[in-house]
Amino acid sequence: AQSVTQPDIHITVSEGASLELRCNYSYGATPYLFWYVQSPGQGLQLLLKYFSGDTLVQGIKGFEAEFKRSQSSFNLRKPSVHWSDAAEYFCAVVSGGATNKLIFGTGTLLAVQP
Amino acid sequence: NAGVMQNPRHLVRRRGQEARLRCSPMKGHSHVYWYRQLPEEGLKFMVYLQKENIIDESGMPKERFSAEFPKEGPSILRIQQVVRGDSAAYFCASSPPSSDTQYFGPGTRLTVL
Repeated sequence: AQSVTQPDIHITVSEGASLELRCNYSYGATPYLFWYVQSPGQGLQLLLKYFSGDTLVQGIKGFEAEFKRSQSSFNLRKPSVHWSDAAEYFCAVVSGGATNKLIFGTGTLLAVQP
Repeated sequence: NAGVMQNPRHLVRRRGQEARLRCSPMKGHSHVYWYRQLPEEGLKFMVYLQKENIIDESGMPKERFSAEFPKEGPSILRIQQVVRGDSAAYFCASSPPSSDTQYFGPGTRLTVL
């Protein structure tokens, strides 16, 4: 069965520091992968997605993610974090089949120190 | 283009009452998904609907929960005889036909007293 693992529950970084959030997936075929961000009390905003092609994907707000098939990973990165990036980040994979339902990881809560 | 709309944003119900959550998809989107987010957890798929059809309800609890997406009007997620364990954030997402990208609404936060 498909699954998504986000090993880090909480991460704290200093403003201006680089960021990498980890995501590992389990999927038989080429996965469709997403990163969403959720600010407190808000809905989910799509940051970026990978379907095929170039394995380095650029998203909004300066984020990027790299698909590595050999490691079953789709880690999210940002070179310099801003205080407004504090939020919860979810990695997700499309389940396949006819429904395209999303399977989410448990999320990583990012705190940004001044 | 307005995003996915959900209302109410917050809903308080006492045990045994009914909860009705509404979702209006983005313009041009005919596919609607409902997800539930329990405290301290990620989102879990509940049901996938197209206009007037339930396509996949494999994530729906077998009792008390139902969903519809009529030809006209919003999609409705209905929870009958709510219990405390139903307290959660319920998110709706929509997508256009033949797309794998879902766009989420702001959610309805249900509290059962």
